[in-house]
Amino acid sequence: NAGVTQTPKFQVLKTGQSMTLQCAQDMNHNSMYWYRQDPGMGLRLIYYSASEGTTDKGEVPNGYNVSRLNKREFSLRLESAAPSQTSVYFCASRPTGGGNQPQHFGDGTRLSIL
Amino acid sequence: RKEVEQDPGPFNVPEGATVAFNCTYSNSASQSFFWYRQDCRKEPKLLMSVYSSGNEDGRFTAQLNRASQYISLLIRDSKLSDSATYLCVPHSGNTPLVFGKGTRLSVIA
Repeated sequence: NAGVTQTPKFQVLKTGQSMTLQCAQDMNHNSMYWYRQDPGMGLRLIYYSASEGTTDKGEVPNGYNVSRLNKREFSLRLESAAPSQTSVYFCASRPTGGGNQPQHFGDGTRLSIL
Repeated sequence: RKEVEQDPGPFNVPEGATVAFNCTYSNSASQSFFWYRQDCRKEPKLLMSVYSSGNEDGRFTAQLNRASQYISLLIRDSKLSDSATYLCVPHSGNTPLVFGKGTRLSVIA
């Protein structure tokens, strides 16, 4: 009963290092999303993938790249980490096809950039 | 105009109290409506979907007023475990959900 799985759960990086955050879902959902959440703020969308093979920018894409590896997996890459990217990162997935379909979230990756 | 407007709170209520949160949304094309709860530094979790006729799940009741573009959540008999941030999320089509800062609830013993 895994749902959305994110790895790692915690990571500390030095400025300039690169890092890939992994996300996988086992619910056969078409759409997947990456959000970041800073203290006292709402979730902000970084990138999303409406279906396998497509990706689109969200509200705050600068400094990030994504890969929709297959239907299950959607990774987020920081090529050159900056302290401003210190945040909690949430991956989510959602079935498409209309109707009342909520998003399901992983339990987050807590990332600190020194 | 913001997509969603909620009173950020905090709402500090005693155990057993009834508390109501309101939310207004700007996109009249919104078709689906959700309430999520988020505990401090944890992932948002779906509390309930909101249906046109209103719906109830135990101590929680959600109402939708499309004409006024207004959604409400009522929590009866508040428990300490209800302390969290409550996020109102209207949605249209297959676009990503947009989350505001929500309303913070603190239930006090």
